[in-house]
Amino acid sequence: DQQVKQNSPSLSVQEGRISILNCDYTNSMFDYFLWYKKYPAEGPTFLISISSIKDKNEDGRFTVFLNKSAKHLSLHIVPSQPGDSAVYFCAASAGGTYKYIFGTGTRLKVLA
Amino acid sequence: DARVTQTPRHKVTEMGQEVTMRCQPILGHNTVFWYRQTMMQGLELLAYFRNRAPLDDSGMPKDRFSAEMPDATLATLKIQPSEPRDSAVYFCASGWGRRSGELFFGEGSRLTVL
Repeated sequence: DQQVKQNSPSLSVQEGRISILNCDYTNSMFDYFLWYKKYPAEGPTFLISISSIKDKNEDGRFTVFLNKSAKHLSLHIVPSQPGDSAVYFCAASAGGTYKYIFGTGTRLKVLA
Repeated sequence: DARVTQTPRHKVTEMGQEVTMRCQPILGHNTVFWYRQTMMQGLELLAYFRNRAPLDDSGMPKDRFSAEMPDATLATLKIQPSEPRDSAVYFCASGWGRRSGELFFGEGSRLTVL
């Protein structure tokens, strides 16, 4: 039972345009969400997070939006750069635990 | 430069053999996680520890997998006996156990079971 879903396995975007990566979850107890980026042959690295008390969090070119009623979050990258090409994972945890459940990942390719 | 260290980086073994993967978490971190990356499941949580105590290992096949933290500087994941379906990249991650807490991942151990 996949509690965190990333339904798009891959996405291609032109350099300078917006990249939008989506993530859906099923567990209404999840209240903290994170995005990670992973390059080949490396471990995932933390990108940005959001608590369920917010609906938006921004860090430079990266913005995460949370829609609790739809159990949906998205990561926006503006403008996209070739160095953003990587696999992006969303993850979620429920209050009081440190058990992070990850999605299957979306491979982003930014074309120069 | 603090980082999570995993060994071995690559392991090729034959079905039925025992495999042990090791992880040195970042000094001071009190939570340690083992994840497995597969194409179908993404990053699957296998087990995690807080202050060296196992909190959840429900993601692990109990009959063949075991995870331990003999001390604060070492976490181990053992597979005995290994099977071809265990072939994957295994990641260890550590964190401070805070709600805002990001996890810091190692570079992974790529396991191939023939």
